[in-house]
Amino acid sequence: DIQMTQSPSTLSASVGDRVIITCRASQSISYWLAWYQQKPGKAPDLLIYRASVLESGVPSRFSGSGSGTEFTLTISSLQPEDFATYYCQQYNSFSPWTFGQGTKVEI
Amino acid sequence: QITLKESGPTLVKPTQTLTLTCNFSGFSLVTRGVGVSWVRQPPGKALEWLAVIYWDDDKRYSPSLNNRLTISKDTSKNQVVLTVTNMDPVDTGTYYCAHRTTAGAIDVWGQGATVTVS
Repeated sequence: DIQMTQSPSTLSASVGDRVIITCRASQSISYWLAWYQQKPGKAPDLLIYRASVLESGVPSRFSGSGSGTEFTLTISSLQPEDFATYYCQQYNSFSPWTFGQGTKVEI
Repeated sequence: QITLKESGPTLVKPTQTLTLTCNFSGFSLVTRGVGVSWVRQPPGKALEWLAVIYWDDDKRYSPSLNNRLTISKDTSKNQVVLTVTNMDPVDTGTYYCAHRTTAGAIDVWGQGATVTVS
């Protein structure tokens, strides 16, 4: 299995801060990585796919980068509605998919 | 507009088999590249990927639950069914079905079905 490790697990930040979340894969997944945002009691929302492609309708303050085994999600200027839990997910077609353990962004 | 909705029992007993149905609209599971995936989330915990079925009937399962999961599709009814055998209290949580795009990622999720094992 491909293991996905996110860091940090919890992140304390303020409105306006630049936030970076890291996701590491246990082996190369090329660019087959997605980022999701989940708020309490809701299904996740897709933010980024193919490591760096912004999903339609997602604010441009969100960006993704990386390839191979190292990936980052950056929120350029944290907004009140961005306080949530973020998950990375690898979706390499030749392997079972896996999620990271999540990063909670809190005040 | 793509929508998915999960249905099934809210309460199952230990050792029973759980059967969940995902009814979807707005896409076809015969379109090349499309898939439907199941993901679950125990209360207060992380997302856990379970299975995916593709347009060509290829299937992939989580290795940690492989021998307990079966995913199938009925394209005429726009349905995907997931069965989980030998349910245990640790299987309690919210079960989501979701649309896998031709680009590979999950872009639309159902509202989730809450299942309690007790």
